Amino acid sequence: QQQVKQSPQSLIVQKGGISIINCAYENTAFDYFPWYQQFPGKGPALLIAIRPDVSEKKEGRFTISFNKSAKQFSLHIMDSQPGDSATYFCAATAGNQFYFGTGTSLTVIP
Amino acid sequence: DSGVTQTPKHLITATGQRVTLRCSPRSGDLSVYWYQQSLDQGLQFLIQYYNGEERAKGNILERFSAQQFPDLHSELNLSSLELGDSALYFCASSKGLESSYNEQFFGPGTRLTVL
Repeated sequence: QQQVKQSPQSLIVQKGGISIINCAYENTAFDYFPWYQQFPGKGPALLIAIRPDVSEKKEGRFTISFNKSAKQFSLHIMDSQPGDSATYFCAATAGNQFYFGTGTSLTVIP
Repeated sequence: DSGVTQTPKHLITATGQRVTLRCSPRSGDLSVYWYQQSLDQGLQFLIQYYNGEERAKGNILERFSAQQFPDLHSELNLSSLELGDSALYFCASSKGLESSYNEQFFGPGTRLTVL
């Protein structure tokens, strides 16, 4: 059973556009929600993370929106750039158990 | 470069065999995590060690085992290999125990192919 559901599977966005990736979860014990960025041939790297007591977190062009009541969170990439083309994973943790979404392959077209 | 090293980079072996993957964490990091990434299962947490002790277990098969040595490097042992074990295996490290308070840094991975 997938603990964290991520959509879409793939996303194509024009340069300068907004990329939005969504995740949903069921386990209310989750207390930390990170997003990872992975380039081909590399390991995932932490991009931005949020805790459930905050509804939004922004770091540069990257924003996480968190809806605790709906058990959903999303990543928004503003002014998307070709260099943002990568696979993005959402994740959720409870204790030291990590659960990842299935990933979204983002392509930003110049 | 995350500072986490993994060897070997690639490994090709046959079904039924046993392999060992090695991970050296970043200097000063006490926690080591192992993950499996495959096309059909995605990225899955396997196990966490902190300062030599097992602290959390995820979807790790009984045929798999891990340990963390006094110098803090870790090894993941995979035995009785099956075709379905073919995947990328990542190691990550962090300073502290709690994964929600300590950023994990991922290594470049070991690509295992079971023929």
